[in-house]
Amino acid sequence: AQKITQTQPGMFVQEKEAVTLDCTYDTSDQSYGLFWYKQPSSGEMIFLIYQGSYDEQNATEGRYSLNFQKARKSANLVISASQLGDSAMYFCAMREGFGFQKLVFGTGTRLLVSP
Amino acid sequence: DTGVSQDPRHKITKRGQNVTFRCDPISEHNRLYWYRQTLGQGPEFLTYFQNEAQLEKSRLLSDRFSAERPKGSFSTLEIQRTEQGDSAMYLCASSLSGRKNEQFFGPGTRLTVL
Repeated sequence: AQKITQTQPGMFVQEKEAVTLDCTYDTSDQSYGLFWYKQPSSGEMIFLIYQGSYDEQNATEGRYSLNFQKARKSANLVISASQLGDSAMYFCAMREGFGFQKLVFGTGTRLLVSP
Repeated sequence: DTGVSQDPRHKITKRGQNVTFRCDPISEHNRLYWYRQTLGQGPEFLTYFQNEAQLEKSRLLSDRFSAERPKGSFSTLEIQRTEQGDSAMYLCASSLSGRKNEQFFGPGTRLTVL
């Protein structure tokens, strides 16, 4: 079974609009962390936001927020006020268990922001 | 620039040759990771170091792959007897121990095996 599922291969949004990128995960661990990364065409993975499984509040970092619904095992990324520079691939990732460090990534969603 | 650096950025080699990649992590980071990314996929974990100790290895890391971090600073990833299936982007990341332990990635080394 896929650990991380991103069902949207591509998303389009107009500049200044908000967009939600979906991510669902599968784990039986109680302790885990969820991450979102941005990968522009240059190839470098840029860390955006983190949510711990025990965090009660949804994480926010500037224009990025994470809509964490633990019971549904979803961790959707919300980008507010989209900018042209937000056009990129976006990956959801999970680190599961205590003491394990590897990240498991989804297949990504390509976001295109139009003027 | 104080981010993660990787060298070379691109490598073209012929099947059967050996290649070695280098990663320099963010200086105060004690953890270092190697991932591989093929076209249309997310990165896949290969291996992880805490200081100089290699603590996790993926089953993806065949006997032809070896990674070292001799002094707990930079790391090398060597692929022996390269195969066309090794063509991919090899990403290095580093992190500092902690609750969040977010990993910061380098620009990657793109390997093409002819």
